[in-house]
Amino acid sequence: QQPVQSPQAVILREGEDAVINCSSSKALYSVHWYRQKHGEAPVFLMILLKGGEQKGHEKISASFNEKKQQSSLYLTASQLSYSGTYFCGSINNAGNMLTFGGGTRLMVKP
Amino acid sequence: DTAVSQTPKYLVTQMGNDKSIKCEQNLGHDTMYWYKQDSKKFLKIMFSYNNKELIINETVPNRFSPKSPDKAHLNLHINSLELGDSAVYFCASSKVSGANVLTFGAGSRLTVL
Repeated sequence: QQPVQSPQAVILREGEDAVINCSSSKALYSVHWYRQKHGEAPVFLMILLKGGEQKGHEKISASFNEKKQQSSLYLTASQLSYSGTYFCGSINNAGNMLTFGGGTRLMVKP
Repeated sequence: DTAVSQTPKYLVTQMGNDKSIKCEQNLGHDTMYWYKQDSKKFLKIMFSYNNKELIINETVPNRFSPKSPDKAHLNLHINSLELGDSAVYFCASSKVSGANVLTFGAGSRLTVL
């Protein structure tokens, strides 16, 4: 079952912050975040493997609340280069399949 | 050198035809995948192969037949193409199955007329 992302789309001005949420009705063993720029392949951002874990990548960071079965991606002081579609992914019980959420389209304007 | 390469990048074909997409990775990864991305950007797993063996088949129609001649290659053959098969197909690989980082190919855009 795929995780649910919100919001579906965000429009920001350069320098503004955004939060993208990812939740699951089933237990989350790990959360993966990817970014896909228009016309390109998805690119790995980070994995969160433990409940409560937080990670950062440039000015993009994420948290993972295992009990609430959700993760959030934080984009701070957004840059034009942050535009794209962000996907969260969850691993199944068997640990062999990554299922992606529906994606969040982020557009950063000058 | 491209880590995960797919060919062709674009395919335009008529309904009912058969087409193949090839994928090769030079990362030494053990697991390869096919994902389908539709016009709404949903990215859905189709197949996963670990060291040439099929480990995941996500209820994909029999018209789709993956083949992995060795762990560096995973090809996708589609028979009797339908309009609904139009999508971007991404090949990906990872060091181990599932939990590891996926490296995606550039995608193959299939248009069925």
